[in-house]
Amino acid sequence: EVHVVESGGGLVQPGGSLRLSCAASGFIVSGNYMNWVRQAPGKGLEWVSVIYSGASTYYTSSVRGRFTISRDNSRNTLYLQMNSLRADDTAVYYCAGGYSGTYRFDLWGQGTLVTVSS
Amino acid sequence: QSALTQPRSVSGSPGQSVTISCTGTSSDVGGYDYVSWYQQHPGKAPKLMIYDVSKRPSGVPDRFSGSKSVNMASLTISGLQAEDEADYYCCSYAGYYWVFGGGTELTVL
Repeated sequence: EVHVVESGGGLVQPGGSLRLSCAASGFIVSGNYMNWVRQAPGKGLEWVSVIYSGASTYYTSSVRGRFTISRDNSRNTLYLQMNSLRADDTAVYYCAGGYSGTYRFDLWGQGTLVTVSS
Repeated sequence: QSALTQPRSVSGSPGQSVTISCTGTSSDVGGYDYVSWYQQHPGKAPKLMIYDVSKRPSGVPDRFSGSKSVNMASLTISGLQAEDEADYYCCSYAGYYWVFGGGTELTVL
C-alpha cells in the first residue's frame, strides 16, 4: 500500500523552530517529487514547497529564506525545517507526493498541525 | 504567486449538475495543461479528482469532468449525490511551483 505519514507538528512560540517529517511507504521519495501544502484554520490550501527528484527546491514567497525542504533517501523521508515561525504559519501541514513526469498530487498524508502562539 | 480565483460556494439539488470555475493567468492555468482538482471533506486530506485538465484517476466516478478555456478551468459534477458535498480546490502548475485556488464549498440541497 502506498502512503505517507506526517509528524512533528505542535505548539511553538513566535520566532521558534520546528521540523516536520513525512515518512513514505510504497513510494520512492528520491525518485519522484514531494511537496508541502498547508491549510490555515478555516482557510484554503496553500502550496508551500517542492523538492524534485534531482534535488531542486522551490518555495512560496512567504516562506522563502525561513523554511527548508529536504529529504533523507536512506529513510525515504521528507522534511520541512521551519525557522523564524510567525503566527500566520499556523496551519495543518500536508505532504503531497507526485510521480515524476506528472503534474498532480496523487498521494497525501493526513496532515500535522503547527500552532505558532505565545 | 497569486491564488487562482474560485467562487466561494455553489449549490445544487441531488441529480442536478454544477460547475465550479477556476480563473488564473497566462502564467499558470493558461500556460499549461496541468490543472488538477481536489475534493476535501471536513477534517480529511484532499483527494485528487481530476488531473491534466480533464483526466480522471482510477476510481473517480465519470460524473466528474474537467475542461479549460484560455485562463479559466472548470469542474463539472453531474448527477449530484449527497456525498459530493465537500470543498473543491483547483490547482495549476506554474513552472517549477504550483498555485491553488481559494476553494469552493459545494452544498447539496
